[in-house]
Amino acid sequence: QKEVEQDPGPLSVPEGAIVSLNCTYSNSAFQYFMWYRQYSRKGPELLMYTYSSGNKEDGRFTAQVDKSSKYISLFIRDSQPSDSATYLCAPSSGNTPLVFGKGTRLSVIA
Amino acid sequence: GAVVSQHPSRVICKSGTSVKIECRSLDFQATTMFWYRQFPKQSLMLMATSNEGSKATYEQGVEKDKFLINHASLTLSTLTVTSAHPEDSSFYICSARVALAGGPVQYFGPGTRLTVT
Repeated sequence: QKEVEQDPGPLSVPEGAIVSLNCTYSNSAFQYFMWYRQYSRKGPELLMYTYSSGNKEDGRFTAQVDKSSKYISLFIRDSQPSDSATYLCAPSSGNTPLVFGKGTRLSVIA
Repeated sequence: GAVVSQHPSRVICKSGTSVKIECRSLDFQATTMFWYRQFPKQSLMLMATSNEGSKATYEQGVEKDKFLINHASLTLSTLTVTSAHPEDSSFYICSARVALAGGPVQYFGPGTRLTVT
């Protein structure tokens, strides 16, 4: 089983929709959870980070972590065409480098 | 958020030559930096972990004599691709780790696109 699993998509939604992006992981040592956004031909940009189970909200973005089921989610409200990118979840134990899954490609259609 | 820069953003070189890519943390000190490589429509693949003042740790399958990493200071790491070949053409991205209140976080540079002709 891979350490991090993400549905690669592509996921296509209309502008204004609520987007749900999900990720599962296998390593119970992961304590920190990050979401990155990567536009084509750019480096990943940190969107959200949290180190506990539960929800964390930042503007239109909400990160949700369920450590018991090793499941993490990112919700995007009122999605915009500018949100079209690849989203990478990155759980971490803190003292090891981030290992990424394939990421989910999102297209928001105007 | 913290800023990581890379230079150059794009480089084209001839087969057999060497190319150096610089990675700098602009507003924080990073004891640990990382180098990733990304092929089109693929995920980021970790190449090596670089600690300031010590030798880099390379991932399995990455040739340390081909990809030379130097972490000369707390704000600068360099990757040198030696004797580059067309198969080394890729997108190279550096990352720096910083400790925040909620835990350690990695910030990424904008990437360097290397084309070997």
